[in-house]
Amino acid sequence: LAKTTQPISMDSYEGQEVNITCSHNNIATNDYITWYQQFPSQGPRFIIQGYKTKVTNEVASLFIPADRKSSTLSLPRVSLSDTAVYYCPGGNSSASKIIFGSGTRLSIRP
Amino acid sequence: DAGVIQSPRHEVTEMGQEVTLRCKPISGHNSLFWYRQTMMRGLELLIYFNNNVPIDDSGMPEDRFSAKMPNASFSTLKIQPSEPRDSAVYFCASSKTGNQPQHFGDGTRLSIL
Repeated sequence: LAKTTQPISMDSYEGQEVNITCSHNNIATNDYITWYQQFPSQGPRFIIQGYKTKVTNEVASLFIPADRKSSTLSLPRVSLSDTAVYYCPGGNSSASKIIFGSGTRLSIRP
Repeated sequence: DAGVIQSPRHEVTEMGQEVTLRCKPISGHNSLFWYRQTMMRGLELLIYFNNNVPIDDSGMPEDRFSAKMPNASFSTLKIQPSEPRDSAVYFCASSKTGNQPQHFGDGTRLSIL
């Protein structure tokens, strides 16, 4: 099963752009890259998913280089409410088995 | 549309008692997952079902844990007998299939005294 590596924590300020990078060294050819967000006392929530190049939705952008060994979640103009844990799970998504790991704890300050 | 619904939201019980957690997945989703989250071990996959059939239960910690999915709209995770180390937040999630994103419930916070 493919594992991912991401920073344990990050800090930023309101209004800034935040980029969180994840390493996917053992990603399988048919695996998608998916990011989740988790607030305290809630379950993880899907943010964005992509296979390669760039994907953008109303919440974030996801950048995936051609070799797909990494991905970068970009949150534009963060606010205090973006304080959460962000996960880029690995595993074997084609077999529905994903491994969440510890995630990145993002703290946004005023 | 209703999301994944879990019950109860909180459960406090004494060691040795049977605990049953319930989950209703999103209608039309074919895959269902049970996770456990603790500070020490993070979010761990316990078992997942595809079309009501258990596919991988390698994450189930021991024989005290069992899960069933009698139909497409209901699943249970049972712990018997419960132990203090089972205290955690248990999440249920569902997805359409395979590579599709998973949708999580709000979890059951379980405390075994």
